[in-house]
Amino acid sequence: DTEVTQTPKHLVMGMTNKKSLKCEQHMGHRAMYWYKQKAKKPPELMFVYSYEKLSINESVPSRFSPECPNSSLLNLHLHALQPEDSALYLCASSHQGGTGAKSYEQYFGPGTRLTVT
Amino acid sequence: KNEVEQSPQNLTAQEGEFITINCSYSVGISALHWLQQHPGGGIVSLFMLSSGKKKHGRLIATINIQEKHSSLHITASHPRDSAVYICAVRSYNTDKLIFGTGTRLQVFP
Repeated sequence: DTEVTQTPKHLVMGMTNKKSLKCEQHMGHRAMYWYKQKAKKPPELMFVYSYEKLSINESVPSRFSPECPNSSLLNLHLHALQPEDSALYLCASSHQGGTGAKSYEQYFGPGTRLTVT
Repeated sequence: KNEVEQSPQNLTAQEGEFITINCSYSVGISALHWLQQHPGGGIVSLFMLSSGKKKHGRLIATINIQEKHSSLHITASHPRDSAVYICAVRSYNTDKLIFGTGTRLQVFP
């Protein structure tokens, strides 16, 4: 299984709603990532989890709250979002701990397209 | 100036043409990635390179570490190759990828 899955595929939420995005992989990867991608722009890194611990937070507003319950699962909890947060949210995973370049190849999920109304 | 530059930004081709997309970077890297993204879709990793050349089907990727340059070639292009191709580099000892702005390719029948 070389797949990263994300649910839901599409999400529409109001500014007062609380929702969560889910990402799952069963490749034994120990690093997982959240990216935000606006239209016609490259992805922007939001968070990195390494061995289930938050290792990078790219100064993301607190209305985005990541969670890594176990090594296969990554969540992104959303609360009080703004319309400008509408974007494609991508999850990725990679091996961690190896010394070769292969250990850092990232596998991306299909993304969740989020619309905030 | 961006740390990763891609050219061209937009590219149109006729089916069957040979296509080259270029990527130049200004930082020391441990690996370079070529990624593909279809409209409205997620990202697929095509290649990860740290030296030399890799080939997969009609796709070939090369990297010249000394010149800090990589190319992605598509032979016998097909309309299904229409997508955005993104170059991304990983600098040393980091989990972060630095992305280029992408090359939008359209292949017409």
